[in-house]
Amino acid sequence: NAGVTQTPKFQVLKTGQSMTLQCAQDMNHEYMSWYRQDPGMGLRLIHYSVGAGITDQGEVPNGYNVSRSTTEDFPLRLLSAAPSQTSVYFCASRRTGLPEQFFGPGTRLTVL
Amino acid sequence: AQSVTQPDIHITVSEGASLELRCNYSYGATPYLFWYVQSPGQGLQLLLKYFSGDTLVQGIKGFEAEFKRSQSSFNLRKPSVHWSDAAEYFCAVGGGFGNEKLTFGTGTRLTIIP
Repeated sequence: NAGVTQTPKFQVLKTGQSMTLQCAQDMNHEYMSWYRQDPGMGLRLIHYSVGAGITDQGEVPNGYNVSRSTTEDFPLRLLSAAPSQTSVYFCASRRTGLPEQFFGPGTRLTVL
Repeated sequence: AQSVTQPDIHITVSEGASLELRCNYSYGATPYLFWYVQSPGQGLQLLLKYFSGDTLVQGIKGFEAEFKRSQSSFNLRKPSVHWSDAAEYFCAVGGGFGNEKLTFGTGTRLTIIP
């Protein structure tokens, strides 16, 4: 199993640009989530999904969109990037009812 | 609402010395508790977890943690640290079915001096 994969590894955007961070898992996990990590703030939940077609907001959802059309994929979209979205983004997945999460390697995003 | 407090932002210990990283949580029921480690530029690796049962749990790399319900704590310990243990450590609390969110503390950065 590849586990949780994320692409790209690094990305630089200009303010106002849009992009999609990709996340995929091959463990047939129902639950997937996106976190952002900022210095001194730990990981904060952006959006999560408990299954295909079902998404919900986390702690810091503004400026981000998600969709879940398949069990495997959970892309995170930035429609109009802002410097405040400069961060490291982690995708995670787990089985529903089992809280142990498996994390991807992260995407480091810089918005100029 | 669930929350996690890691009161130590940065800890420095000598190689071979013992280590204890503190974690306090707030959760309305029996929590699921985790410690993750993050090396520089890397993702998060699960060190250990507590779901139920024995309150002293063993993890990878020689780490252990003790769940103390009366103190709402889940402190991480290691009897003798190695230079390779230098990293950032995150405590997290989560629930089970119906409460899918995992809440992280702000992390403790561990520096090892020779």
